[in-house]
Amino acid sequence: AQKVTQAQTEISVVEKEDVTLDCVYETRDTTYYLFWYKQPPSGELVFLIRRNSFDEQNEISGRYSWNFQKSTSSFNFTITASQVVDSAVYFCALSEWNKAAGNKLTFGGGTRVLVKP
Amino acid sequence: NAGVMQNPRHLVRRRGQEARLRCSPMKGHSHVYWYRQLPEEGLKFMVYLQKENIIDESGMPKERFSAEFPKEGPSILRIQQVVRGDSAAYFCASSREANTGELFFGEGSRLTVL
Repeated sequence: AQKVTQAQTEISVVEKEDVTLDCVYETRDTTYYLFWYKQPPSGELVFLIRRNSFDEQNEISGRYSWNFQKSTSSFNFTITASQVVDSAVYFCALSEWNKAAGNKLTFGGGTRVLVKP
Repeated sequence: NAGVMQNPRHLVRRRGQEARLRCSPMKGHSHVYWYRQLPEEGLKFMVYLQKENIIDESGMPKERFSAEFPKEGPSILRIQQVVRGDSAAYFCASSREANTGELFFGEGSRLTVL
């Protein structure tokens, strides 16, 4: 069975600090997708990134960066120079790579990030 | 191109009533997924449907919950005889193909059971 663990339930930082969110996953599949989503206080889910298991390159998008380490089954997310608007719950998720599963996601429990001005 | 549309956005029901949540997938998408988010928790998979077929309902509670995705019209998640523990946000997602990793979420329907 697949499992995603986000050990940090809540992180509080002061604006402009960097914050790293940990995500560790378990899967028997050799091919899979990993995701990060943001859920702001308004409640919708905002897609941030999708990474397939073949691609271990780290990625940077503006103030966001992701570190995928297949050897340790981790897919960590860093927000650089945090802003108040980054305050949200962030979810890491995993999906299998087989047609029978479709695009079924297994989510972690989420990490609440609070950025104080 | 409209995104995944869910309605109602907010629904209040009394214990014992029925709740119906609707999800219209993105145009051209024939795969629909329902997820439930209990308060202060992550999202949990409930059911995966293609047109007229339930593919995977491993996350659905055994009683009172059902889902359908008819040939015409939206997907429906139906909860009969609601209880307070059903209060949650229900998210729908759709994809064009299976197994692509491209999944689009609706804004969710928030059910409150009094």
